[in-house]
Amino acid sequence: EAQVTQNPRYLITVTGKKLTVTCSQNMNHEYMSWYRQDPGLGLRQIYYSMNVEVTDKGDVPEGYKVSRKEKRNFPLILESPSPNQTSLYFCASTRGVAGELFFGEGSRLTVL
Amino acid sequence: GQQLNQSPQSMFIQEGEDVSMNCTSSSIFNTWLWYKQDPGEGPVLLIALYKAGELTSNGRLTAQFGITRKDSFLNISASIPSDVGIYFCAVIQGAQKLVFGQGTRLTINP
Repeated sequence: EAQVTQNPRYLITVTGKKLTVTCSQNMNHEYMSWYRQDPGLGLRQIYYSMNVEVTDKGDVPEGYKVSRKEKRNFPLILESPSPNQTSLYFCASTRGVAGELFFGEGSRLTVL
Repeated sequence: GQQLNQSPQSMFIQEGEDVSMNCTSSSIFNTWLWYKQDPGEGPVLLIALYKAGELTSNGRLTAQFGITRKDSFLNISASIPSDVGIYFCAVIQGAQKLVFGQGTRLTINP
């Protein structure tokens, strides 16, 4: 089954404790992206990757890092999480047309 | 920053009613998309519009790409309980960046 898989789905952590949210897709898509969803703000892009070893900042990259060492994986790294990073995070991928994104089920992160 | 204005932010309707929501921008875009997010899930693409003036249907859903290329609307006819969720408009900015509206949360009373 074609899918985008995120882990963990739910996480409660404390300020400053590094964490990684993994994202994997099995559709051989070149393009992958991370979004955060906050009430009243919709989905805002954090980082995206056009292909392996090619990443770029989205609209809200501060406090986040990403890597794209393999085509299928695009982890999101929070080196020192802060409470304002409490949010619902989505990973997405597509073969070519950026509009037709396939989304994961989301990872709800709470930073205390 | 936020470039799309989506309205209304929320809707409370009775089952069977028609729904209309829209999205506007101060900039011109060549592609408009509509996504739906079911509770607890990620968004799923409903309709993609690639041509100004285009009217596209997908079952009970109809979406139009405004002639000015600065707006789009989505209509849902004869709503049913499974239509509940958040609807997002989106545009493609540049080569590969997708920008979303704030979303319209649809609640249906049976």
